[in-house]
Amino acid sequence: EPEVTQTPSHQVTQMGQEVILRCVPISNHLYFYWYRQILGQKVEFLVSFYNNEISEKSEIFDDQFSVERPDGSNFTLKIRSTKLEDSAMYFCASSDWGGQYFGPGTRLLVL
Amino acid sequence: AQSVTQLDSHVSVSEGTPVLLRCNYSSSYSPSLFWYVQHPNKGLQLLLKYTSAATLVKGINGFEAEFKKSETSFHLTKPSAHMSDAAEYFCVVSEGRPNAGNMLTFGGGTRLMVKP
Repeated sequence: EPEVTQTPSHQVTQMGQEVILRCVPISNHLYFYWYRQILGQKVEFLVSFYNNEISEKSEIFDDQFSVERPDGSNFTLKIRSTKLEDSAMYFCASSDWGGQYFGPGTRLLVL
Repeated sequence: AQSVTQLDSHVSVSEGTPVLLRCNYSSSYSPSLFWYVQHPNKGLQLLLKYTSAATLVKGINGFEAEFKKSETSFHLTKPSAHMSDAAEYFCVVSEGRPNAGNMLTFGGGTRLMVKP
């Protein structure tokens, strides 16, 4: 069964550094998403992406964040100048016309 | 705006007994509703979805949920719990607002524990 994959599974970085989280969505899906879950809190929507552009973003998704689909298979989330409060589990998801299918997540720890 | 409330943060049942995980939602449009399950150190797995067809929705692993518009509820049930059902369950709404980008809003989660 096709699935969404994410790399790395864990990332530790220093405050102020840039990180890139990578995702490979399900191959025939057209919609892509990033969510995050801070420890002990709800899963929160960050951004949705369709037809090579952002279709919606939350208030969390400020200028510090960017997304890109650099080729036909990868979907990336870049966080510039990371802050302590960016520590969270980041989930990528993709969908066709039905439900969204999530990857296993990348646990980001900012020190 | 859309929101989801899962009424119980923890539910404990004995193996073989019924499971009920409660969820209420609010939405200004015609929402789609989902239940996801997360096992320890695993990703979020789609259990079932309601998208304005039949109000009783059957999912994987014997779970089902009923959409009740009058009660704004979408409770998840299973007739007989299995040890492998122990996990965190999330009720999720997609508002159906035009140009919404399909964003999902998650409830706070219910941790289901199954006793032998």
